[in-house]
Amino acid sequence: QLQLRESSPGLVKPSETLSLTCTVSGDSISSSGFYWGWIRQPPGKGLEWIGSISYSGTTYYNPSLKSRVTISVDTSKNDFSLKLRSVTAADTAVYYCARHYDNFHWGQGTLVSVSS
Amino acid sequence: NFMLTQPHSVSESPGKTVTISCTRSSGSIASNYVQWYQQRPGSSPTSVIYEDNQRPSGVPDRFSGSIDSSSNSASLTISGLKTEDEADYYCQSYDNSNLWVFGGGTKLTVL
Repeated sequence: QLQLRESSPGLVKPSETLSLTCTVSGDSISSSGFYWGWIRQPPGKGLEWIGSISYSGTTYYNPSLKSRVTISVDTSKNDFSLKLRSVTAADTAVYYCARHYDNFHWGQGTLVSVSS
Repeated sequence: NFMLTQPHSVSESPGKTVTISCTRSSGSIASNYVQWYQQRPGSSPTSVIYEDNQRPSGVPDRFSGSIDSSSNSASLTISGLKTEDEADYYCQSYDNSNLWVFGGGTKLTVL
């Protein structure tokens, strides 16, 4: 059974880099043919796709965040990571990782707050 | 890239039928599959419709999806409403520029 679990930095200071890792069990990132993505949801607001990485390592980013985002994969650990640079309070959100092609299968999500 | 526009909220009584729309701003709604997700408070989204009109295993047949090229929109219809259907619903599709897009979400109230 597929499970995705986000790491939890909890609190990040303004201007610093938010780093999250999604650990995957029940599937192999390198061989399944799916995309592995990050989505966020600010408190009380809707879902925003941040970016995704293919099984071959090709990355795709939301144009509105592209200049600050890097997504990478570690096939030896069967996990993938998100780095969001120069964060502000507007980046406070629940961050979800997901496996997807057209349809998304979601992790449980983790709340990241940006505050000094 | 395009936007997906949903009504902010809808409400209906138990036992009735409700339809939530999702309008694509540019490009054909039929050119890429539409998915629908249900999100209850404090929980992750879960899929209720994928590939326009397919139901994942375990989703009751009270949930159905469709697309309408004339209005360039997709719809999620829930019949026989139950109080447990009260949640936020999001549509989602794909742009051929390798972008995945979510609608703004619709709050369904069953009262």
